[in-house]
Amino acid sequence: GAGVSQSPSNKVTEKGKDVELRCDPISGHTALYWYRQSLGQGLEFLIYFQGNSAPDKSGLPSDRFSAERTGGSVSTLTIQRTQQEDSAVYLCASSLDIASGYTFGSGTRLTVV
Amino acid sequence: AQSVTQPDIHITVSEGASLELRCNYSYGATPYLFWYVQSPGQGLQLLLKYFSGDTLVQGIKGFEAEFKRSQSSFNLRKPSVHWSDAAEYFCAVVPFSYQKVTFGTGTKLQVIP
Repeated sequence: GAGVSQSPSNKVTEKGKDVELRCDPISGHTALYWYRQSLGQGLEFLIYFQGNSAPDKSGLPSDRFSAERTGGSVSTLTIQRTQQEDSAVYLCASSLDIASGYTFGSGTRLTVV
Repeated sequence: AQSVTQPDIHITVSEGASLELRCNYSYGATPYLFWYVQSPGQGLQLLLKYFSGDTLVQGIKGFEAEFKRSQSSFNLRKPSVHWSDAAEYFCAVVPFSYQKVTFGTGTKLQVIP
């Protein structure tokens, strides 16, 4: 597609439930990133996929968080047993290479009640 | 440790006034440097980027940034601010050795009449 697409745009879930957030990057972009942006905070790196390499998971805050990228394209971020502190906007970005910069999706606003 | 710092959390300028947003980085070598803007409720949009060469780079929306190696800085400037520039601005760095982008904590710009 023309841009990075994220779904859903908004998600309200009950504490303890699992959620899946989806990111559809720009076709052909080999790099894909997930960031979390809490209210009034900067962007917190979560995970980075580059081609067929093993992902950099160093930013995942706990083992309740996981992500996968199927076929080098669509990525799903899964949060298990959601907690209220997971409430944030989750941003996805993709990139063809460094020179091109990074294109961000509009994010998924997750609210855990 | 490698880091990127935006010392100003919040800046207020009058419409028509000039603007400078600060960004400092701490890396072993000059990384790739970016500025992004995030309007309320939106994703991040790339304003400009620096890789090498001319240290003054021009971006979209009338913004420019100057790379100063001696100061490890990459400050964003605009000669005359418009009300529509009110947004949050993020400096970002990517080291040559590893395509993983790290963002500063952001500077929120308020424009007053």
